[in-house]
Amino acid sequence: AQKITQTQPGMFVQEKEAVTLDCTYDTSDQSYGLFWYKQPSSGEMIFLIYQGSYDEQNATEGRYSLNFQKARKSANLVISASQLGDSAMYFCAMRDDALYGQNFVFGPGTRLSVLP
Amino acid sequence: DSGVTQTPKHLITATGQRVTLRCSPRSGDLSVYWYQQSLDQGLQFLIQYYNGEERAKGNILERFSAQQFPDLHSELNLSSLELGDSALYFCASSVGGPEAQYFGPGTRLLVL
Repeated sequence: AQKITQTQPGMFVQEKEAVTLDCTYDTSDQSYGLFWYKQPSSGEMIFLIYQGSYDEQNATEGRYSLNFQKARKSANLVISASQLGDSAMYFCAMRDDALYGQNFVFGPGTRLSVLP
Repeated sequence: DSGVTQTPKHLITATGQRVTLRCSPRSGDLSVYWYQQSLDQGLQFLIQYYNGEERAKGNILERFSAQQFPDLHSELNLSSLELGDSALYFCASSVGGPEAQYFGPGTRLLVL
């Protein structure tokens, strides 16, 4: 069964510094997608970035980049130049592309706190 | 504002009751996804519809059902409610695939 592991329940980072949030996944599928979402304390869910399993380049979206290491089955999120507004829960998720449809699995999340 | 709307914002009901949660996707989006977020289970994918047809099914209980209508809005029906169904229910939409999903604000359901 597919599984997502986020080993860091909480992280602290100084404002303007970069931070890496870890995510490892377990799947036997060849075709899958990896996602990161942000959930501020207000509760809304915000899609951040996507990486397909066949994408050779690491995905980037503004200050967010996904460090995809397929052989190690890791998909770490890197946030550059942290801002106070980055304080939130961050969820890593995987979608598998089974023939019968797609399924999504989420990790438990990492709470990031950005310090002034 | 993601452009995805969900109603109601909050819902309080009793065990055994039935409720309907509504989601309107962004203009032009054909796919709708439903998720449940609870303290003990975390985030779980429930179901996906694409242009009116069920596309994928996750951990959706038999007491729950969903549909997507011709105008592309979707409804999630929860019946025979139990205390454990108390959660935040999100709807998300995308143009087609899940590569970029936009989430609604969620419906917070409390079952007493």
